[in-house]
This record gives sequence, C-alpha cells and structure tokens, in this order.
Amino acid sequence: SQTIHQWPATLVQPVGSPLSLECTVEGTSNPNLYWYRQAAGRGLQLLFYSVGIGQISSEVPQNLSASRPQDRQFILSSKKLLLSDSGFYLCAWNRQRSEKLFFGSGTQLSVL
Amino acid sequence: KNEVEQSPQNLTAQEGEFITINCSYSVGISALHWLQQHPGGGIVSLFMLSSGKKKHGRLIATINIQEKHSSLHITASHPRDSAVYICAVMTGTASKLTFGTGTRLQVTL
Repeated sequence: SQTIHQWPATLVQPVGSPLSLECTVEGTSNPNLYWYRQAAGRGLQLLFYSVGIGQISSEVPQNLSASRPQDRQFILSSKKLLLSDSGFYLCAWNRQRSEKLFFGSGTQLSVL
Repeated sequence: KNEVEQSPQNLTAQEGEFITINCSYSVGISALHWLQQHPGGGIVSLFMLSSGKKKHGRLIATINIQEKHSSLHITASHPRDSAVYICAVMTGTASKLTFGTGTRLQVTL
C-alpha cells in the first residue's frame, strides 16, 4: 500500500535561519507531488508541484523553494526564513492522471 | 480562478444531531474533495465527487454540478466528529486545487 511521510511534525525556527522540510512517498512510482501552506485563519494554498524528478512548478512568488532529487522525495527549503513563513505545511501526492489526493500529516512551522 | 465558499464557518452541535456543511464554487470543476482536518493538522480525504452522491458510514456527500454546490452531511453526530471540514475543488489537473477556508465543527455531549 502507498504511504506518505512528512517530517518534522513541528518546528520552531528563528528569523533568518534555513529551512528544510522533507516528504517521501512509498509504494508508488512517478507520483505528482505537492507542497501546500495553510496560514493562520486561511485556506490551504498550493506552493509548488512536481510531475517528475527535477521538475518543479511554483504557484506563488515567495521566500521558499522546492526540489525533487528522487522520484518519491519532495523537499521544501528556504535559505532565510521570514516571520511570514510561519504556518502549516502539507505535502500531498496523487497518481498521474488521477484526481484522488493523499495528504501527509503536516508540519507546523513557527518562525520567531 | 475558482472561488470556494463554505458555510457555516463555525458550527456547534450536540451529540446525535444531523449536521450539514455547504460548499459553493464559482467555476466548473472536474472533481470536488471533502477533507477532514483534526487538531494537530493532519488531513484525511473523506470523499472525492464528480457527480451525484457518496456515502461512507455516517457521512454523506452530495454535489450538484449545475448549481455549483456540494454538501457534506453527518448523521448521528459524535464528539469524535469534531474537526475542521474543508471543501476543495479541482479544475483540470490535480495541481489546480482550490480550497475553502473550512468549517470548524464542535460536537458536544
């Protein structure tokens, strides 16, 4: 069966520090991968999506970047965190040409 | 861009009550998701609909494509149903998923 792992679950980082959130999917190959963010009091917003290794599309301009070094690994990064980067980050995946999405457990990021 | 509105934003119910959460969207879609987010943040997909009605246990989801409206019903609500319920609509490829801001449900004894 397919599973998605996302870590860490919570993270407190100072302003200006780097960030690396990791998401891996097991039990499938060539998934579409997504990073979403949920700011306090707001709905989920798509940040990045990837349809294959090394292929990253960004939906909104921001302080973050994403990479897909392996087929089932999706990494969200920042060189210098801002206060506005605080929020709940969620990784998700689906099969190519499938509309059913599977979500990770999320990372609550607090930038202080 | 698809605008997704959910109502109500907050809902308090007593155990056993029948609950309805509504979702309206502005642009034609290929599918609609109902998601459940528990305290701590993890999200579970409850339903994915493109037409008609689906039922899973005490949960029922309906969609009216012509009216661009979907409802999530919970029969015989229970405190463990307390969570945020999120409607998300999909247009075209899965990357184009627009989320509502959620309905916070609290079921009390």
